[in-house]
Amino acid sequence: ETGVTQTPRHLVMGMTNKKSLKCEQHLGHNAMYWYKQSAKKPLELMFVYSLEERVENNSVPSRFSPECPNSSHLFLHLHTLQPEDSALYLCASSQERDRAYEQYFGPGTRLTVT
Amino acid sequence: GQQVMQIPQYQHVQEGEDFTTYCNSSTTLSNIQWYKQRPGGHPVFLIQLVKSGEVKKQKRLTFQFGEAKKNSSLHITATQTTDVGTYFCAATVALIQGAQKLVFGQGTRLTINP
Repeated sequence: ETGVTQTPRHLVMGMTNKKSLKCEQHLGHNAMYWYKQSAKKPLELMFVYSLEERVENNSVPSRFSPECPNSSHLFLHLHTLQPEDSALYLCASSQERDRAYEQYFGPGTRLTVT
Repeated sequence: GQQVMQIPQYQHVQEGEDFTTYCNSSTTLSNIQWYKQRPGGHPVFLIQLVKSGEVKKQKRLTFQFGEAKKNSSLHITATQTTDVGTYFCAATVALIQGAQKLVFGQGTRLTINP
């Protein structure tokens, strides 16, 4: 499946580094999402963008900063992360507005914070 | 906020045995979606249930939505090794401006002894 792509697939960063995760959807969808997946919380929603506007920020620490420059691209900027931020970060997209549609997930970025 | 409880957390079966996972909510749901995540993979949409008492089948998989729209189940008949993975239920929650998000259950991880 290549509908939703994520780069990089693996990332190791120190606590003082700054990095960005990229997500791109090729499905013509109008909503995009960031999730964090770890052993403690299997699928934890972080941010929701609908029509390029952030409509949900799920009490995420400010060291995670999302950006949605257009309906096809979503970024997650990372800085001064903690070891407990190590997890699989999943991007998803869907076509929605006033009706529930399924979400399409990317393959994820496996992040390790050292 | 909306919560969806899913049980069991883990299930190990012999190949050929049946498997069921359950989702429960304290509030009425507008719909419920089911996803499957293979080991090392990302969640993939299986199905959406909308109507009270709805039952849908996909080959050996049977999905049910309760009459009160507060619970749902996924039943797999005669499991095969290809069924291995984590099964998630998810409920749609409305956000501002017509946007929506999914609230996921904790998932049921299915392992199979061949």
